[in-house]
Order: sequence, then C-alpha cells, then structure tokens
Amino acid sequence: NAGVTQTPKFRVLKTGQSMTLLCAQDMNHEYMYWYRQDPGMGLRLIHYSVGEGTTAKGEVPDGYNVSRLKKQNFLLGLESAAPSQTSVYFCASSYGGSGHNEQFFGPGTRLTVL
Amino acid sequence: GENVEQHPSTLSVQEGDSAVIKCTYSDSASNYFPWYKQELGKRPQLIIDIRSNVGEKKDQRIAVTLNKTAKHFSLHITETQPEDSAVYFCAASEKQAGTALIFGKGTTLSVSS
Repeated sequence: NAGVTQTPKFRVLKTGQSMTLLCAQDMNHEYMYWYRQDPGMGLRLIHYSVGEGTTAKGEVPDGYNVSRLKKQNFLLGLESAAPSQTSVYFCASSYGGSGHNEQFFGPGTRLTVL
Repeated sequence: GENVEQHPSTLSVQEGDSAVIKCTYSDSASNYFPWYKQELGKRPQLIIDIRSNVGEKKDQRIAVTLNKTAKHFSLHITETQPEDSAVYFCAASEKQAGTALIFGKGTTLSVSS
C-alpha cells in the first residue's frame, strides 16, 4: 500500500503559467481533500470531494479548480498561477462516513511561483 | 463556518515536563476533534482524536480533553521527550462540509534535554 501519493514533489512556475497537481490514494477512500500550508497559517482547506464526480469549495478556493473523475485520484489545477499561491500543498483522504474521519495525508508538493 | 483558535503558538519545555496546548472552536455542531503532529519537512500525522460524545481520551503519554459547553479542547503530553518536538495542529470538523476539517494555526513544541 502506497497510501496517499502526490505528484510532483517540487515545482517552480512563472506568474501566469498553469499546472495540475495529482493526488492518488490506494485505500479505496471516498473522501479526498486539498490543503495549502503557509508559515504561521496552519492548514487551510482549498477544495474537497465526498465521492467520485463530486467536488466542493473549502476555505480558500479562489484561483484553484479540482476534478475527481476517478475515485482514487483528485486533481488540483492552477489556471493562472500567482505569487500568492506559493505554498506547500497537501492532499489527504479519508474513508468517510460516521466513525471514519481520520484523514491520511500525502507527502506534499512544494510550489514556488515567481 | 467553523473557526478554530489555537494557543500558544510556541511552547518550550524541559524534557520530562508536561505540555498543554489549547484550542477553541466556534461551531457547536462540530463533532470530531483530531490532533495532528507534523515533524519538519514531513506530512501531518494523526496522534489522537476525540468525538463530541466523549469528554476525555488517553493514549499512553498523550491525552485529549473536550469541553463542549465551553467549546474548547486540549492536548496534554506528559513526560515529554526530545522526539516530541514538532508542530502540533488541532482541528474541528466542518459540520456543513461533512468530514472536512478546519485546522488551528499550529503550536511549535520544543523539548530540550
């Protein structure tokens, strides 16, 4: 079991470029999440999904889009990157449902926007 | 929506001392409160969690208490060790978002030997 994996691990973009971050999980989890982590700000929820084909906005969704076409994958897109999106991005997944709340995190993607 | 406040932001203790981190939440409908530990450069990992129908939970040197009336919960670490040094995050479930979590801003715990 690889658990939750993220691709890529590091990326440098120029302002205005686009990119997609890939999250994959092999635990058959229903729920998946994208967070960003900035110094002194904790983890902030960007978007999440409660099942294949569903997505919803979190605390800080502006400038990001997501898709969940397959249950095991959750993609985070930046259409036009800005320096304010420089951050470490974590994906997480959970089984879902009452009593199954534990979220398992991926290793993170460090994104720098110049 | 839910809002989680965490204090203190930094905490320094001597090895063997106890450490306490406190969090408050705003949404009385929240029902799940996990604590995550994040070592430098690593991913957050769950260390303990508590549900709203329980007042206290303990796992070896770690315990969490929950006061639903006051809407606050705390992490207690006893007999601290240098390997406990890390950033600790509390979180509360965002009821309207299912099991999505809203995190506090974190506490950097330093344990010196």
